[in-house]
Amino acid sequence: QSALTQPPSASGSLGQSVTISCTGTSGDIGRYNYVSWYQQYPGKAPKLIIYEVNGRPSGVPDRFSGSTSGYTASLTVSGLQAEDEADYYCSSYAGSDLWVFGGGTKLTVL
Amino acid sequence: QVQLVQSGAEVKKPGASVTVSCKASGYTFINSAIHWVRQAPGQRLEWMGWINPANGVTGYSQNFQGRVTMTRDTSASTAYMEVSSLRSEDAAVYYCVRVTKYHFEYWGQGTRVTVSS
Repeated sequence: QSALTQPPSASGSLGQSVTISCTGTSGDIGRYNYVSWYQQYPGKAPKLIIYEVNGRPSGVPDRFSGSTSGYTASLTVSGLQAEDEADYYCSSYAGSDLWVFGGGTKLTVL
Repeated sequence: QVQLVQSGAEVKKPGASVTVSCKASGYTFINSAIHWVRQAPGQRLEWMGWINPANGVTGYSQNFQGRVTMTRDTSASTAYMEVSSLRSEDAAVYYCVRVTKYHFEYWGQGTRVTVSS
């Protein structure tokens, strides 16, 4: 299985919006609405922030939103705050009880 | 509340094996699959595989097939993940994760494995 493709880095100014893309194939993102996103701070375990494309777990601010189009999923962070600076990973179910992660995107808040 | 508590850091020589444990609490252990994810230093998350605690059925990423074994002890609500024939590239933080439907909802704190001669 190949990793999903994410840009290595993204940035935005405080209060602005930024979108991180995650490109897969017809066998994962293109087939299943089971895309999830994770936020990870250095030295910490990842935290689920989006599930099933656009679901938000309790406690996750509504500044975080997700979507898909074709083989690409997107995570949008609106109203950027300093604490949003972290690494972000996408994941997708790939069928046959297999999962795949993206390469990760380091988000910098300017 | 759901908690996954993993065993402590390990230092192993190349060619050795390592076993990481993951003790679950706060829910019925046999009702949810446990997955394992690893992260080499400065690298991406890498999905390794899963175990169904109810029946011990496993599924592995082809990248780890044959070198990773996942087991469980239902009486102890604990899952185990063994990596054999360790090489330097296996140095990483290993996480156990409880999956809800198709997303990784609850993560253990991670176990650092160092491979060094």
